[in-house]
Formats: sequence, C-alpha cells, structure tokens
Amino acid sequence: NFMLTQPHSVSESPGKTVTISCTRSSGSIASNYVQWYQQRPGSSPTTVIYEDNQRPSGVPDRFSGSIDSSSNSASLTISGLKTEDEADYYCQSYDSSNSWVFGGGTKLTVL
Amino acid sequence: EVQLVQSGAEVKKPGESLKISCKGSGYSFTSYWIGWVRQMPGKGLEWMGIIYPGDSDTRYSPSFQGQVTISADKSISTAYLQWSSLKASDTAMYYCVRNYDGRIDYWGQGTLVTVSS
Repeated sequence: NFMLTQPHSVSESPGKTVTISCTRSSGSIASNYVQWYQQRPGSSPTTVIYEDNQRPSGVPDRFSGSIDSSSNSASLTISGLKTEDEADYYCQSYDSSNSWVFGGGTKLTVL
Repeated sequence: EVQLVQSGAEVKKPGESLKISCKGSGYSFTSYWIGWVRQMPGKGLEWMGIIYPGDSDTRYSPSFQGQVTISADKSISTAYLQWSSLKASDTAMYYCVRNYDGRIDYWGQGTLVTVSS
C-alpha cells in the first residue's frame, strides 16, 4: 500500500492564499482520485474537494484542488483566507482493492 | 436527506465487549459501502474497514484486521462495529461514513468510546 504525507501545520494571514500538499509515496497520484476533508474542532469532517478538483455544493470557490504528476502530489489551495478556515485538513485516496488511505492531516492556522 | 446516525458515547472497562451502530436513512442502504474511521484523541483519521450491506462483503485495513468486526443488518439499515475485548488504546472517536466511488460523501456524528479501568 502507499502513504500520503502532509505538512504537520501551515499558517497564513487572513486574506492571503495558502496551499497544503499531499504527497503519495508510491504509485501515481493520478491513479486514484484525491479528496480533501476539513475538520473543525469538535466536529465531524466535511468534504471540501473530491475527485482531485471538484467542489461539493456549498463549498466556496476559494477552495480548489489539483494534482501534479511531476511531484506525485495533490494540493489544496485556499484563497482569501478567513478565520473560519482555521481547521485540520486531511487528504484521502484509495487503492485498487478499495482500501482507503488518509494523510496525516495539516493544521491550518489563520492569524 | 441522507443521514448516518450513530449510537451514543460509551464508557467501558478493559476486557469488556462493545458493539456500536450506525443507522442510514434517506437513501438505499444496500447500494453504498459503509466505512468506519477511527480518530484517537488529538490524532488523525484512520480507515478501519468497509462493508457493502447489500451482500455483506467486508474489507479490513491490515491495521485493524482481527481487532474489530464490521457487520450490517440491511433489514434495519444499520451497520455495526464491534470489539470482543476492549483495550485502553481503543479509546477514540469512531465515525461511520458512506463511500461513494472511493470518497466519503457523508459522515456520521461520531461515537466516542472511552476505555478506562
């Protein structure tokens, strides 16, 4: 199986743009879709990006996702940061046997 | 409206057994995989396994194989996660989730399991 590696934490100021990376250890990042989940303290996670770059209804277009085969990684970009974006973010993908893999999570601080 | 409603918080002693539940509504329960995700205190998300209620096909993460049992009763649209002998290290929040094409589209509210002597 493979691993997904995320930075432990990132921080940025309100109004700025931040990018969180998710690097796949083996196999191509393009082999299986990547999802991103947001988890605010004390709450269940929610989906902010699915299928690499799709936003569920209700998620603002400040959130975007992409993959980069050259670095074998996926990225979540949040523009126009708001204090409400402060949360933990997890990437997730799956393998051919329908086994899911989560990244370790990134704590986003908006200060 | 799709909902996954989990059973309430549990406090157990080491060695005790436990079965927590997740009731699906608002969709065809037998047509979607249901998964379980563990989150230990202050830690990240871990995939435990999934079940297809339509035929009870079950897959486990190697990390949880033999440690827990996942089951489902399609007659009451409910999935279960059970332990035969709890350990203190099983203390965690457990989420049931609906799988749609390899991604999670709905989450339960979580069940907090505390194991302490």
